[in-house]
Amino acid sequence: GQQVMQIPQYQHVQEGEDFTTYCNSSTTLSNIQWYKQRPGGHPVFLIQLVKSGEVKKQKRLTFQFGEAKKNSSLHITATQTTDVGTYFCAGPRAGNNRKLIWGLGTSLAVNP
Amino acid sequence: NAGVTQTPKFRILKIGQSMTLQCTQDMNHNYMYWYRQDPGMGLKLIYYSVGAGITDKGEVPNGYNVSRSTTEDFPLRLELAAPSQTSVYFCASSYSGFVSNEKLFFGSGTQLSVL
Repeated sequence: GQQVMQIPQYQHVQEGEDFTTYCNSSTTLSNIQWYKQRPGGHPVFLIQLVKSGEVKKQKRLTFQFGEAKKNSSLHITATQTTDVGTYFCAGPRAGNNRKLIWGLGTSLAVNP
Repeated sequence: NAGVTQTPKFRILKIGQSMTLQCTQDMNHNYMYWYRQDPGMGLKLIYYSVGAGITDKGEVPNGYNVSRSTTEDFPLRLELAAPSQTSVYFCASSYSGFVSNEKLFFGSGTQLSVL
């Protein structure tokens, strides 16, 4: 069945280091969304990518959507302790845009 | 504007008990969802609804029931609680399907333990 995989599962970095998480889908996605969940909190929408090869930036965060629309990445430059949390990617299930299929997330820990 | 409101925030149940997790949204969203999140397992869809009177199963519906009598409310019912239902439950909503420019708004979650 359709799957969305994220790597790595966990990442520890020193504050100021960069961080990247990768999302790979077994099928082509019409769009991909990224969410952040702080420890003990709920997922919060970060961004949506729709176009092949699209790149979007939000301050220190850079999001990319692959040319084949099957993979995506989130890169954080110069991490801060406020970046701590789990980052999820999600895309519409093939043939059913009412449901999202989720990656398992990448948990980021930042040592001050 | 409260967004998506879930109650209760925490609950402990005994095996075999029943309860209803409440979810309401004030954004006039058509689509509503119930997810459960187990540690390290991501989000799994339990049930969803695309409008009042319309519900459908997600990936893990067994042991749960839902109803959608109004646009605002989407309660989740556990009839015979089992330890496997210990999890964090999130309600979420969106205006429409995920064709483009639609995103999910989540409630703050319910931590449920079944002992």
